[in-house]
Amino acid sequence: DQQVKQNSPSLSVQEGRISILNCDYTNSMFDYFLWYKKYPAEGPTFLISISSIKDKNEDGRFTVFLNKSAKHLSLHIVPSQPGDSAVYFCAASPYSGGYQKVTFGTGTKLQVIP
Amino acid sequence: DVKVTQSSRYLVKRTGEKVFLECVQDMDHENMFWYRQDPGLGLRLIYFSYDVKMKEKGDIPEGYSVSREKKERFSLILESASTNQTSMYLCASSFGILSGGSRSYEQYFGPGTRLTVT
Repeated sequence: DQQVKQNSPSLSVQEGRISILNCDYTNSMFDYFLWYKKYPAEGPTFLISISSIKDKNEDGRFTVFLNKSAKHLSLHIVPSQPGDSAVYFCAASPYSGGYQKVTFGTGTKLQVIP
Repeated sequence: DVKVTQSSRYLVKRTGEKVFLECVQDMDHENMFWYRQDPGLGLRLIYFSYDVKMKEKGDIPEGYSVSREKKERFSLILESASTNQTSMYLCASSFGILSGGSRSYEQYFGPGTRLTVT
């Protein structure tokens, strides 16, 4: 049962344009959401997060939007750069006592074309 | 900077062997995690630990066990390796409760171990 879904396995975008990566979740207990970026032969690195009390969080070129009623979040990258080419994982975590189990999506491979 | 290191980048083992994957973090994190990454399946949680000698099963614990004898070290053990355990294994760590009382969800990952079981 895939509780966090990234339905687009890949995405190609021209340099300078906007990249929009989407993520859907099914578990209504999730209250914190994260995006990670992964380059080949490296571990994932944290990119940006959002709490369920917000609907938007920005960090430089990266903005995450959360639509709780639709159980949907998206990551916008503006402007896209070739160095953004990587696999992006959406992740979600429920409120759960003292430790934070995170459920990851299947990933979207972004290619930014120069 | 947080550093999470894994004992090997590449490993080739035979079916039936006992395999140990080691992970060490240097940030005094309470939580440690083992994932495997497979094409089309993303990252799936095998086991996690929120304290020394404490462990919890993740989503796919079958065929694996873990050990956490010291806070900085978390080991993943494949009791009898099988070909379907060929995968990329990723270790991660995170803080539990931050000094201000808030939770920390951000996980720091090691570079991964590419395990091939033949």
